Amino acid sequence: DVQLVESGGGLVQPGGSLRLSCAASGFTFSNYWMTWVRQAPGKGLEWVANIKQDGSEKYYLDSVKGRFTISRDNAKNSLYLEMNSLRAEDTAVYYCARGRYCTNGVCYRFDYWGQGTLVTVSS
Amino acid sequence: QSALTQPASVSGSPGQSITISCTGTSSDVGGYNYVSWYQQHPGKAPKLMIYDVSNRPSGVSNRFSGSKSGNTASLTISGLQAEDEADYYCSSYTSSITKFGGGTKLTVL
Repeated sequence: DVQLVESGGGLVQPGGSLRLSCAASGFTFSNYWMTWVRQAPGKGLEWVANIKQDGSEKYYLDSVKGRFTISRDNAKNSLYLEMNSLRAEDTAVYYCARGRYCTNGVCYRFDYWGQGTLVTVSS
Repeated sequence: QSALTQPASVSGSPGQSITISCTGTSSDVGGYNYVSWYQQHPGKAPKLMIYDVSNRPSGVSNRFSGSKSGNTASLTISGLQAEDEADYYCSSYTSSITKFGGGTKLTVL
């Protein structure tokens, strides 16, 4: 079975940094685009970043460009999101998801999702 | 880019059918046949229910169906069951991002 397990969330002060991880299993990780999607408390879903199978292409939501970095380690079946200069508006549950049929950095759909990890940015 | 527009809530009784709309523009919903629907129970991960407007992934009940007309996509759930009570989100491919709707809370009365 496909499994995605996020970790690394927590409470951080504004301006701080955090690194999220997503451990994948049950499928050939290196064959798929991977994605981070977030959900602010009581709000809808918002796409954050995508990374191509080999890590050669990365795409970001405008509001996180220059602050967040998506990366992957195919040998470890792991996806990461390095978050710097965090703001209160980055407070959300962050989900990793498997992308399907992605072109020009945009995925048509996300077929498996993790349970999410909560990031709270507050002083 | 603004989110796709969904009603905040819908409700129905067991056995009834309900429809959730998802309205966008010609740059998203109306421009591509790549609308997906996700179900999310409280505290749980989203689950893909419909993709490419009207296709169901393996294992999803045929009580769930999708359609599109112009800039509006729709998710219909027939034979409502208590377990269908959840939040539902639509999404659409665009030329720059995958755009999501604001979500609809389905209450089974």
